Amino acid sequence: GAVVSQHPSWVICKSGTSVKIECRSLDFQATTMFWYRQFPKQSLMLMATSNEGSKATYEQGVEKDKFLINHASLTLSTLTVTSAHPEDSSFYICSARYLYTYNEQFFGPGTRLTVL
Amino acid sequence: SQQGEEDPQALSIQEGENATMNCSYKTSINNLQWYRQNSGRGLVHLILIRSNEREKHSGRLRVTLDTSKKSSSLLITASRAADTASYFCATGPWGGGADGLTFGKGTHLIIQP
Repeated sequence: GAVVSQHPSWVICKSGTSVKIECRSLDFQATTMFWYRQFPKQSLMLMATSNEGSKATYEQGVEKDKFLINHASLTLSTLTVTSAHPEDSSFYICSARYLYTYNEQFFGPGTRLTVL
Repeated sequence: SQQGEEDPQALSIQEGENATMNCSYKTSINNLQWYRQNSGRGLVHLILIRSNEREKHSGRLRVTLDTSKKSSSLLITASRAADTASYFCATGPWGGGADGLTFGKGTHLIIQP
């Protein structure tokens, strides 16, 4: 149990376009989902926390207008990278937590975004 | 902010040997977790140790936590080639799981056959 999926696994897009990444909890209801990004050979950095039905909370330095997060249901959160630029190229990973796993987060497999 | 710091940054050992990685953190924590990441892949949760625990075992893994020193170690015994990966510690903040995890920089482990 506690499986989290992401779609797509990888995406290549042109500079200036917007890209949507989906994060789904397959067998549980995720009250909270988190979005992380990881640059090559670096660690994961928390971008934002989203709770179902409310606005996401962004970490300092993360532009909320550029990285739009929607958590419309208990099983789906989306991250939209708007007007993507090459510097947005990164590995984006989501994780999900549900009410009864207070401290444990379940991670998706990640989405590799390359902006040309 | 980046709280956890792992050392060493990279480690190469022979198959069958034990591998030890250390993690230090700065603020009070509720728990500390270790994850493995194979190149270009997602994270695999290895073990969670709570702030009131000192040691935990899971198969070939042994984790210790010293809250007075704000440090943790991960020991992998009898290493295998398949253990080659990056290992990250991550801390959960005191106050619960409402916040995301803070990850360390990671240790890249290479097991030579």
